Amino acid sequence: DAGVTQSPTHLIKTRGQQVTLRCSPISGHKSVSWYQQVLGQGPQFIFQYYEKEERGRGNFPDRFSARQFPNYSSELNVNALLLGDSALYLCASSLVPGPQGDVGYTFGSGTRLTVV
Amino acid sequence: RKEVEQDPGPFNVPEGATVAFNCTYSNSASQSFFWYRQDCRKEPKLLMSVYSSGNEDGRFTAQLNRASQYISLLIRDSKLSDSATYLCVVKSGQNFVFGPGTRLSVLP
Repeated sequence: DAGVTQSPTHLIKTRGQQVTLRCSPISGHKSVSWYQQVLGQGPQFIFQYYEKEERGRGNFPDRFSARQFPNYSSELNVNALLLGDSALYLCASSLVPGPQGDVGYTFGSGTRLTVV
Repeated sequence: RKEVEQDPGPFNVPEGATVAFNCTYSNSASQSFFWYRQDCRKEPKLLMSVYSSGNEDGRFTAQLNRASQYISLLIRDSKLSDSATYLCVVKSGQNFVFGPGTRLSVLP
């Protein structure tokens, strides 16, 4: 079984541009959560989606948006990129919203975004 | 105050040493606790869950003190392969809150 898959693995964008990151959850999982990890810090929660509806949002500006598709895959969009958006963007999936029991979350390998 | 705080690190220890990481959390309603390990430029991976009674997995021992809102991780007989960043993670509501991580370098 494939784990959580994310694409692309690396991306370089210019300030002001827009970017779309993609995540495919583990088969059978209906919830996807997005995290941003800036170098030297722990991951920060951005969004959680379950059954195509937003279930949670972290403290991020409106430039960040996301959606979930009928097949439970998800996209994270960031508009008007800033240098500070450079980070590793992580996706995690779960059967229902939130990390589960003793298993916690399994993360995808992430998309490394560099804004220049 | 951040919701999850950890020792700032980095910790540089010789092979075979015992090293302890400390973590505190501010939300007394937090439900579950974990230690994750993150290798350089990789995603975090679950190391172990942390139970109220304390738990051990080989060379790794995790402890939780709910009254003090404190979590610890002890690594015995450190190996070179233990070099990584260790993230203290707290489940609050339906989300994970991560600490900033403590970097460990095990030296030959």
